[in-house]
Amino acid sequence: DQQVKQNSPSLSVQEGRISILNCDYTNSMFDYFLWYKKYPAEGPTFLISISSIKDKNEDGRFTVFLNKSAKHLSLHIVPSQPGDSAVYFCAARGERSGGGADGLTFGKGTHLIIQP
Amino acid sequence: DADVTQTPRNRITKTGKRIMLECSQTKGHDRMYWYRQDPGLGLRLIYYSFDVKDINKGEISDGYSVSRQAQAKFSLSLESAIPNQTALYFCATSDLRDRGLETQYFGPGTRLLVL
Repeated sequence: DQQVKQNSPSLSVQEGRISILNCDYTNSMFDYFLWYKKYPAEGPTFLISISSIKDKNEDGRFTVFLNKSAKHLSLHIVPSQPGDSAVYFCAARGERSGGGADGLTFGKGTHLIIQP
Repeated sequence: DADVTQTPRNRITKTGKRIMLECSQTKGHDRMYWYRQDPGLGLRLIYYSFDVKDINKGEISDGYSVSRQAQAKFSLSLESAIPNQTALYFCATSDLRDRGLETQYFGPGTRLLVL
């Protein structure tokens, strides 16, 4: 079962506009959520995170919103820049259903393309 | 210099061969992880270690083993490689003291092809 879902494999946005990437999760035990950005031939790099006790966290052009009741989070990038073109992974931390592992559970990623 | 390094960066091997992927970190983190990425599947956790004496299985540990030789080194072994282990492998580290909330830092990845 996929506990972290990114339903949009790709997203195209014009430069200067807002990019909104969405992520849904099913496990109510997740307590910490992260967004990672990945360029080709590189490892994922941490972008921004949010604890489950908050509903918003902002860092420069990046804002993450968390709606716990809907089990939904989103990443807003404004204004979008060409260098933002990358694959974005949503990840969650917490006890998995079935227990055990304490690593991160990742979504499949969304490829963001910023058009000039 | 990179904080998390992985060797080799690329590897081609044959079915049945034993191979080892290595990860080193200079961040001084106590926690280390191995993930694999397959097209369309995101990253999945293979093994993780919270300190030198602690090793834990992730969600897809079958066919893999690990060794935490030192705080800074965490290696992943494929005892008898099979083609469906062809993937991109990432090592990551984290420190619980990091702003009180764990953030993982990833290496550049090892691209493995099993023929």
